[in-house]
Amino acid sequence: TQTVSQSDAHVTVFEGDSVELRCNYSYGGSIYLSWYIQHHGHGLQFLLKYYSGNPVVQGVNGFEAEFSKSDSSFHLRKASVHWSDSAVYFCAVSRSSGSWQLIFGSGTQLTVMP
Amino acid sequence: DAAVTQKPRYLIKMKGQEAEMKCIPEKGHTAVFWYQQKQSKELKFLIYFQNQQPLDQIDMVKERFSAVCPSSSLCSLGIRTCEAEDSALYLCSSSPRGGNQAPLFGEGTRLSVL
Repeated sequence: TQTVSQSDAHVTVFEGDSVELRCNYSYGGSIYLSWYIQHHGHGLQFLLKYYSGNPVVQGVNGFEAEFSKSDSSFHLRKASVHWSDSAVYFCAVSRSSGSWQLIFGSGTQLTVMP
Repeated sequence: DAAVTQKPRYLIKMKGQEAEMKCIPEKGHTAVFWYQQKQSKELKFLIYFQNQQPLDQIDMVKERFSAVCPSSSLCSLGIRTCEAEDSALYLCSSSPRGGNQAPLFGEGTRLSVL
């Protein structure tokens, strides 16, 4: 059974701060890992994904994430956040073969204070 | 711009009424997924179509929902008899078959059951 855990329900930082949103997963096979952002009342927007290769992947708007097989983690980072980054962030896994059927974590609400 | 279109954005039904929401997948995408999201929490997988055929669905969908993709450019998700617990944001996503492209999401249909 695949599971995704986002241990922080809420993270609050100030504009210009760096931030790390944590994601841990459990799955025994090959998987895709991805991050999505959801602004209040809207659908999900894709940020980045990882399948193989360089464990650090770059995404849109200055986000990056690092895959760690030993820690079963795929944490999302940004060096300097902007107030517009305030949103809910979802980590997701899917099997590498077949469909993009996603299993989501519970989400992390990021609040960026001015 | 690439887009998944969902209609209507908002839907209000009385308990016991039937509800229907539609999704127009991104052109050329053969996989369509429906998810249910309550109160901005994690997304719950409902059903997956590949080339208009349902390949996977949860028991709740089999029992109380009706989902079809009559064409490659239109899918619909229906609830035969709405219950209060069905109040949620219903998100549709589409992706090409296999490949490396992460799914695109629509803005969702927010269903309120009174």
